Amino acid sequence: DSGVTQTPKHLITATGQRVTLRCSPRSGDLSVYWYQQSLDQGLQFLIQYYNGEERAKGNILERFSAQQFPDLHSELNLSSLELGDSALYFCASSEGNKRGYTFGSGTRLTVV
Amino acid sequence: SQKIEQNSEALNIQEGKTATLTCNYTNYSPAYLQWYRQDPGRGPVFLLLIRENEKEKRKERLKVTFDTTLKQSLFHITASQPADSATYLCALRGNSGGGADGLTFGKGTHLIIQP
Repeated sequence: DSGVTQTPKHLITATGQRVTLRCSPRSGDLSVYWYQQSLDQGLQFLIQYYNGEERAKGNILERFSAQQFPDLHSELNLSSLELGDSALYFCASSEGNKRGYTFGSGTRLTVV
Repeated sequence: SQKIEQNSEALNIQEGKTATLTCNYTNYSPAYLQWYRQDPGRGPVFLLLIRENEKEKRKERLKVTFDTTLKQSLFHITASQPADSATYLCALRGNSGGGADGLTFGKGTHLIIQP
């Protein structure tokens, strides 16, 4: 157990639907990062939150959004899902800029 | 554009030998570089971080070097074991002072340690 909890572990949904992925960071970590991993693209940075505020955006689609709540847990919302959104979605947390990231076990999203 | 390149071909090493993985980057001025291990279907696990002013970092059987002139990092596993078989990812964050704070990962090198 890395200390970063992601739910659900697996999600199967139809095209056009909306889903919410949840992440609880490791205790004490203020930063949360979301990554998408597909076979051909590798790990792609989506977005970062720090203590409730959006800090940085990567290759996140407009159909995707995220937020971090006062208790520091974060949610990634994916809407108007397409087949190409099928991937592993990882959440990571860290205690600071110059520290390693702790990753969760991921959510495997399958869009059918 | 910014690129992080790792050997996409699998690296086969005999047990007990030293495995050396390479990470090359372009158009980055990284403040530090990180290495992660990832097993199939699981999240990456942080291994080592090396700063731009450090030439070498060690942790048990792992050693990382960082050459900012060559824009290259080497990752060594000595006395390799079959349990070291995994994909190893290199990751960078720039030091532009602003903008994206998320690490950018290479696509990784799949290491296979053969008994």
